[in-house]
Amino acid sequence: GENVEQHPSTLSVQEGDSAVIKCTYSDSASNYFPWYKQELGKGPQLIIDIRSNVGEKKDQRIAVTLNKTAKHFSLHITETQPEDSAVYFCAARSSGNTPLVFGKGTRLSVIA
Amino acid sequence: ETGVTQSPTHLIKTRGQQVTLRCSSQSGHNTVSWYQQALGQGPQFIFQYYREEENGRGNFPPRFSGLQFPNYSSELNVNALELDDSALYLCASTEGGQNYGYTFGSGTRLTVV
Repeated sequence: GENVEQHPSTLSVQEGDSAVIKCTYSDSASNYFPWYKQELGKGPQLIIDIRSNVGEKKDQRIAVTLNKTAKHFSLHITETQPEDSAVYFCAARSSGNTPLVFGKGTRLSVIA
Repeated sequence: ETGVTQSPTHLIKTRGQQVTLRCSSQSGHNTVSWYQQALGQGPQFIFQYYREEENGRGNFPPRFSGLQFPNYSSELNVNALELDDSALYLCASTEGGQNYGYTFGSGTRLTVV
């Protein structure tokens, strides 16, 4: 089955700097890669996703890149703000009814 | 548009007891998945329901069971609770069995003592 590794487990950046979180996956059939943000006491919130037919997707300060050959994808947050502080999870899913498989999460702290 | 709502928000049970957790899916969503999130870990897939039938199951024992109702709301039942069942239980819904764009609820925090 699918296995998703996520790095780093913790990340601290200064406000205004960029943050990058990386994930690798094992199943070459995986074709959907969402990123979730989880704040304390809340459920994960989808912030951006990418499908395997594109290599990059942007939404304001957030971007995701996908390298299918290397089986890795990354989340890029530019101009970080204190409200970006949260735990971020990557996930991967192959076709059909297979479920999302999550990484273990990255705790991002943005220092003002 | 309403989101995914879960109840209760917190629950304390004794080892060996049974528990039922409830989830109302987002309007228009007919697919519901349940996940278990241990402290400091990513969510782990328990099972999924599509149009009232289970159509996927993770590596969880049979004492974890579920239901989906005609209005697409769902229940997660856990029998013979164990201490390791203490976790945040998350419900997520999506539309049309597509398995894209899951919307998560805020979860039920279950503590087994």
